[in-house]
Amino acid sequence: DTGVSQDPRHKITKRGQNVTFRCDPISEHNRLYWYRQTLGQGPEFLTYFQNEAQLEKSRLLSDRFSAERPKGSFSTLEIQRTEQGDSAMYLCASSLRGTSYEQYFGPGTRLTVT
Amino acid sequence: TQLLEQSPQFLSIQEGENLTVYCNSSSVFSSLQWYRQEPGEGPVLLVTVVTGGEVKKLKRLTFQFGDARKDSSLHITAAQPGDTGLYLCAGASHRAGNNRKLIWGLGTSLAVNP
Repeated sequence: DTGVSQDPRHKITKRGQNVTFRCDPISEHNRLYWYRQTLGQGPEFLTYFQNEAQLEKSRLLSDRFSAERPKGSFSTLEIQRTEQGDSAMYLCASSLRGTSYEQYFGPGTRLTVT
Repeated sequence: TQLLEQSPQFLSIQEGENLTVYCNSSSVFSSLQWYRQEPGEGPVLLVTVVTGGEVKKLKRLTFQFGDARKDSSLHITAAQPGDTGLYLCAGASHRAGNNRKLIWGLGTSLAVNP
């Protein structure tokens, strides 16, 4: 399977703990996006990488959220001191520059903060 | 702020019926994508429309991009239970300097009852 993969698929954590999610994009895709989605809503943009450079970060994203893409391949999203309001589906997508901005999504990581 | 409004937000129909979902904006988009998302999974790209007035067909699904590239519609003929899901539209901004991410609608939740 050469699609976008995400790990883990599900994460349950206690409030105050740190969590880290991983995304492996389609290998030739140079753009990588992180989104957050709550039930029945559209994806909410979090951040965007072109190769290893983080080019944009949502103003809605607090300082507890950080993302990296150190070698321009896989990416990690870390949430520090989790809060119950962080419970959501975290989606990763990748795209290839010059392809009409089509994005290909992974299956997501469902985070539950208790 | 660019917005994409989808309507209706919820739709529950019987198998065999036809339906149309709308995606509207006051902004011009260089391209627009339609995605379908099933519970617990990431969105799956259905189609990309690029040219004003463009019509694309995918089996029983017909997608149209408005002449002014500000709106789009998705028509499903003879809906089947397998069509159930969240339908999302997403537009690529036409404005220079803001062309790296998609503007997302909130989605139309479709339930097709057997």
